[in-house]
Amino acid sequence: DAGVTQSPTHLIKTRGQQVTLRCSPKSGHDTVSWYQQALGQGPQFIFQYYEEEERQRGNFPDRFSGHQFPNYSSELNVNALLLGDSALYLCASSYRTGGGETQYFGPGTRLLVL
Amino acid sequence: QQQVKQSPQSLIVQKGGISIINCAYENTAFDYFPWYQQFPGKGPALLIAIRPDVSEKKEGRFTISFNKSAKQFSLHIMDSQPGDSATYFCAANGTGRRALTFGSGTRLQVQP
Repeated sequence: DAGVTQSPTHLIKTRGQQVTLRCSPKSGHDTVSWYQQALGQGPQFIFQYYEEEERQRGNFPDRFSGHQFPNYSSELNVNALLLGDSALYLCASSYRTGGGETQYFGPGTRLLVL
Repeated sequence: QQQVKQSPQSLIVQKGGISIINCAYENTAFDYFPWYQQFPGKGPALLIAIRPDVSEKKEGRFTISFNKSAKQFSLHIMDSQPGDSATYFCAANGTGRRALTFGSGTRLQVQP
């Protein structure tokens, strides 16, 4: 059983460009969450997708957007990249339950903005 | 009210010793408390998790102690090994807040 997969593993962009990151959840999972982890810090929640809709959003600007597909995979898009967007972007998948859920993380995409 | 406070920031333990990391939360709606282990350049890996209906959970060398009235929980690593050297994050979520709220992390170094 494959775990959470993310692509690409590394990415280098310049300021002002746009980037798309991809995530495939664990088999049987229906919910995808995205987190940003700056160097030396804990992951910060960006947003969560369930049933192809954004269900919850963290304190991130509208430059950050996403999508969930019918097969539960997801994309994270970031427009007008800033130097401060350089970070490890983590995708986590879970199965939606009535309470707090176990989230399994992928290996992340390392984004460097020059 | 969404914060999870974690201490210490860093920890050095001798091989075979006990590593203890503490976390405190504020949001009483949290009902799931996982611990993650993260190695440099890798994604966080789920280590062990607890729900508030129990006060302790043990899996191998890893134990979570949970104090609901104090809103605190801690991770104990028994017989710490050099391979345990990593950054550990506590986290919490619940029905009203499905996003995980993470602590600031503890960098553990186990010396041989």
